[in-house]
Amino acid sequence: DQQVKQNSPSLSVQEGRISILNCDYTNSMFDYFLWYKKYPAEGPTFLISISSIKDKNEDGRFTVFLNKSAKHLSLHIVPSQPGDSAVYFCAASGVSNSGYALNFGKGTSLLVTP
Amino acid sequence: EAQVTQNPRYLITVTGKKLTVTCSQNMNHEYMSWYRQDPGLGLRQIYYSMNVEVTDKGDVPEGYKVSRKEKRNFPLILESPSPNQTSLYFCASATGIYEQYFGPGTRLTVT
Repeated sequence: DQQVKQNSPSLSVQEGRISILNCDYTNSMFDYFLWYKKYPAEGPTFLISISSIKDKNEDGRFTVFLNKSAKHLSLHIVPSQPGDSAVYFCAASGVSNSGYALNFGKGTSLLVTP
Repeated sequence: EAQVTQNPRYLITVTGKKLTVTCSQNMNHEYMSWYRQDPGLGLRQIYYSMNVEVTDKGDVPEGYKVSRKEKRNFPLILESPSPNQTSLYFCASATGIYEQYFGPGTRLTVT
């Protein structure tokens, strides 16, 4: 059963605009959330994270927002650049039925067009 | 350079022929993990290890074995591969369990 859900398989945004990638989770025991970025033929790379004690974390053009009551987080990229085109995975961590596991969503493919 | 290496990067094999995919990290990380990535299913954890001689099952451990005899190495063993294990495999390591560093991936095809 998927505990981390990314319901949009793909997203297309114009260069310079804001990209918003969404993620929902079902397990209230998750206490740490991460976003990874993946280019073709490469392994995922860590992008940004947020602890459940916060509701926002910023790193340059990337901001992650966490709404614990809604079990929802989002990644904002402002401004979007063509080099941001990649698959973005949301991940959540905490004690689950798999012990201390990192649970990933299925990913959202972002395309930033010039 | 800090990195996670996997070998081989590509492998085509036949059903039932035992194989091992090696994973090595040079960052002295305690935590290591294996994932598989399949179309439409995202990344799913196979096994993880919190430290030497400590391993635990992830979400999809069936058909796989691991061992952690040294801190830097975490091989993935398929004793009797089957076609449903055709996938893209990633090894990862971390100081905790959070910001994991991933290897470049191993594409396995089982015919």
